[in-house]
Amino acid sequence: EDQVTQSPEALRLQEGESSSLNCSYTVSGLRGLFWYRQDPGKGPEFLFTLYSAGEEKEKERLKATLTKKESFLHITAPKPEDSATYLCAVQKSPGAGSYQLTFGKGTKLSVIP
Amino acid sequence: AAGVIQSPRHLIKEKRETATLKCYPIPRHDTVYWYQQGPGQDPQFLISFYEKMQSDKGSIPDRFSAQQFSDYHSELNMSSLELGDSALYFCASAGGIHSPLHFGNGTRLTVT
Repeated sequence: EDQVTQSPEALRLQEGESSSLNCSYTVSGLRGLFWYRQDPGKGPEFLFTLYSAGEEKEKERLKATLTKKESFLHITAPKPEDSATYLCAVQKSPGAGSYQLTFGKGTKLSVIP
Repeated sequence: AAGVIQSPRHLIKEKRETATLKCYPIPRHDTVYWYQQGPGQDPQFLISFYEKMQSDKGSIPDRFSAQQFSDYHSELNMSSLELGDSALYFCASAGGIHSPLHFGNGTRLTVT
């Protein structure tokens, strides 16, 4: 059975204090790993897709990396507006199932001014 | 940029009633997904459509049904509502099977 495990469940950072969120996965036939940001009462907002081990993507203060078993979301010098729940999701390759996403339970990030 | 539109934003129903949730995908997106998110939970996949045909089915109860129409909008029909159906229901669309999913802001369903 496909599994996506995110850690930590919650993280409190001081403004400017860099850190990383972890997403470990077991899935038969990974096509892509997705990172989303979700604010309370809103839908997940797409951040990155990673397709192969060694791939990295950056957007402002966020950088996502992928290995064969896990992905990291690095947050550099975070600001209070980065506070949100960050969701990791995996998508299977065509021969291994459908294109729907399987989500982890998320990491709730709080950045304190 | 246009986003996924869901209506209504909030819905309150009583047990055993029915509900219809609507989703309008991003223009030119041909794939629609429905997810259910309970309080403090991760989104759970319900059902998806590609080019108006059901493409995959997840943990969708038999009391629920959905379809995608000729204009690509989709509706999730829920009957015999139960208290446990209270959740946020998200619709997501994608511009093809190799594209990322873009989510709407959801419909919050409360069953009393």
